[in-house]
Amino acid sequence: KNQVEQSPQSLIILEGKNCTLQCNYTVSPFSNLRWYKQDTGRGPVSLTIMTFSENTKSNGRYTATLDADTKQSSLHITASQLSDSASYICVVSPLNYGGSQGNLIFGKGTKLSVKP
Amino acid sequence: KAGVTQTPRYLIKTRGQQVTLSCSPISGHRSVSWYQQTPGQGLQFLFEYFSETQRNKGNFPGRFSGRQFSNSRSEMNVSTLELGDSALYLCASRQIGGTNEKLFFGSGTQLSVL
Repeated sequence: KNQVEQSPQSLIILEGKNCTLQCNYTVSPFSNLRWYKQDTGRGPVSLTIMTFSENTKSNGRYTATLDADTKQSSLHITASQLSDSASYICVVSPLNYGGSQGNLIFGKGTKLSVKP
Repeated sequence: KAGVTQTPRYLIKTRGQQVTLSCSPISGHRSVSWYQQTPGQGLQFLFEYFSETQRNKGNFPGRFSGRQFSNSRSEMNVSTLELGDSALYLCASRQIGGTNEKLFFGSGTQLSVL
């Protein structure tokens, strides 16, 4: 069964520190893997999209990595800011995705709290 | 360009009532999909519309329905509301073309069923 598991479920860090969020998936083969940031009470916003052939993708202080052999991805946040407090969602598209949104596999997210 | 607009932002209903939520996609985006998000379950796919046709439907009861208009705006309807329908309902739009297209989400409608 295609699944996406994220860890940890929640994380508290101090402002200025770095952190890494994990995403393990069983989707195979897959087309692409996406990370989204969702502020409380808002819709998710895309951070990165990586195809199966990409190893890393950066977006400012956010860097996503992908290891297709171990089926793991991580999202690294550098020099965290209070505004990084949000949920981070990992989404995997199976290769037989066919362009339909119904085939996307969503993780349940990691809730990050950045404290001053 | 304006983003995805969802109305209303908040809604309180009682069990048994019905509700209609609205979504206006980004201009030029013809695909609109709907999701239900609850704290324990994450995002659950409801359905996707493209050019006024439903392309795919998630595993939800028939009380959940939707439609899309010729201007790509979409509505979803939930009839005979149950307490478990309390959730954040998100709409997303995208341009069709390739499998790496970005999904753009609205801010959602927070539905509370009492």
